[in-house]
Amino acid sequence: AQSVTQLDSHVSVSEGTPVLLRCNYSSSYSPSLFWYVQHPNKGLQLLLKYTSAATLVKGINGFEAEFKKSETSFHLTKPSAHMSDAAEYFCVVSPLRAGGSARQLTFGSGTQLTVLP
Amino acid sequence: NAGVTQTPKFQVLKTGQSMTLQCAQDMNHNSMYWYRQDPGMGLRLIYYSASEGTTDKGEVPNGYNVSRLNKREFSLRLESAAPSQTSVYFCASSELAGAYYNEQFFGPGTRLTVL
Repeated sequence: AQSVTQLDSHVSVSEGTPVLLRCNYSSSYSPSLFWYVQHPNKGLQLLLKYTSAATLVKGINGFEAEFKKSETSFHLTKPSAHMSDAAEYFCVVSPLRAGGSARQLTFGSGTQLTVLP
Repeated sequence: NAGVTQTPKFQVLKTGQSMTLQCAQDMNHNSMYWYRQDPGMGLRLIYYSASEGTTDKGEVPNGYNVSRLNKREFSLRLESAAPSQTSVYFCASSELAGAYYNEQFFGPGTRLTVL
């Protein structure tokens, strides 16, 4: 069994200040973890993914996330927010296991990021 | 390379009407998925197809049917639409469900309203 909790449903930051979006997970297996971004009226785009290589993962648009097994967390950060970062962000977990039957993603409920000018 | 495409983009139905949502991918992916997105609930899996010729239920399959027409296409059918099916529907694909990691690529969505 697996689950994802995004600790904040809404986050507001000022342009140029750091962004922190928090995600905790639980999984019966070693997980793979993803962050997706969804801009208004658009589909989901992959920001970054963790697949058991490096614990600090760099993604697109200056985002990065750190996998902390002891804390079961995978928080998303960015040093300096831009207006174009305003969107909804989803933390996603999937079992990390080769082969077997179909694997499903489990989505968090989303964090809406607002960037203030 | 269009990725994942969905039709239609918008649809309004009356209760009891039927319709089929179409999805196609041009990435030669084996696995395809249908999700619904409702406010505050993230995405929930309706059905998936691990490979051509197979389909399986996800978390919320009731009221829906699917067809994996070929490797490229995966359709979702609502036989008798209900207001509870008002949602945004996303199709996704991945190389192989069950692979080392399961990165999925999403279409732009279909916004469905059932009156």
